[in-house]
Amino acid sequence: QKEVEQDPGPLSVPEGAIVSLNCTYSNSAFQYFMWYRQYSRKGPELLMYTYSSGNKEDGRFTAQVDKSSKYISLFIRDSQPSDSATYLCAMGFNDMRFGAGTRLTVKP
Amino acid sequence: ETGVTQTPRHLVMGMTNKKSLKCEQHLGHNAMYWYKQSAKKPLELMFVYNFKEQTENNSVPSRFSPECPNSSHLFLHLHTLQPEDSALYLCASSQESRNTGELFFGEGSRLTVL
Repeated sequence: QKEVEQDPGPLSVPEGAIVSLNCTYSNSAFQYFMWYRQYSRKGPELLMYTYSSGNKEDGRFTAQVDKSSKYISLFIRDSQPSDSATYLCAMGFNDMRFGAGTRLTVKP
Repeated sequence: ETGVTQTPRHLVMGMTNKKSLKCEQHLGHNAMYWYKQSAKKPLELMFVYNFKEQTENNSVPSRFSPECPNSSHLFLHLHTLQPEDSALYLCASSQESRNTGELFFGEGSRLTVL
C-alpha cells in the first residue's frame, strides 16, 4: 500500500461547480496536512495548511482532515477556469510525503 | 529577483553528457531541497541541505551529485544519466529543515535524456 494515495484524474468540471479532491494515507503518525497547487509549467505553491484534524476555510477553498479515517479533502466552491491546475496533497510528521497530484480542468 | 529561481528551465542531454542544474533562493531560508517530479507519480525527495550541510540523501544514484556552496545556492550535477531520469527537477526552500513547514518551489528544470 502506498503511503499517500491520490487519484491523478484528470477531473473536468463546468465553471461554478463544487470540486472535491481527496487523498488517503496509511501512516497514522502524520500530523501536518497540506494542499499545493501547481499550474502548468510552474512549481507547486502552498494553498492550504492544516495541523491535525478539522476543517480550515480560506475563501472558496475548504480543507478537511479526518484522521480517524486517514482521509483528507479539498473543496473548491464556485470553481473558476483559473482554478485549472494540478492539486497535490502533502502530509507528514518529521518529513513530508506527497500524493501524485490530481489534474483539474474547469471549463467556462 | 524574488522567490526560488531555477536554471535552465529546459535541458536536453545525451547519456554521456555532463550538465548542472542551478537553484537560487532569495527568501533567507536555511534549508534547500531537490525533488524529482515524474508524470502521475508523487514528488520524490532526492536531497536535503540545512545550513549548507547535506542532511538527507534518499538513495539517489551517484550519477546525481548535489552541491550546496551556501544557504542560498544549490546545484545538481548530472553525469551519465539514463533515459528514465527524464523528469521535472524541482528545487525548494524552507525556513526550517524538518521538512514539515511550507516549501517554496522554483519553476523547475525540465530534463530530457536522449
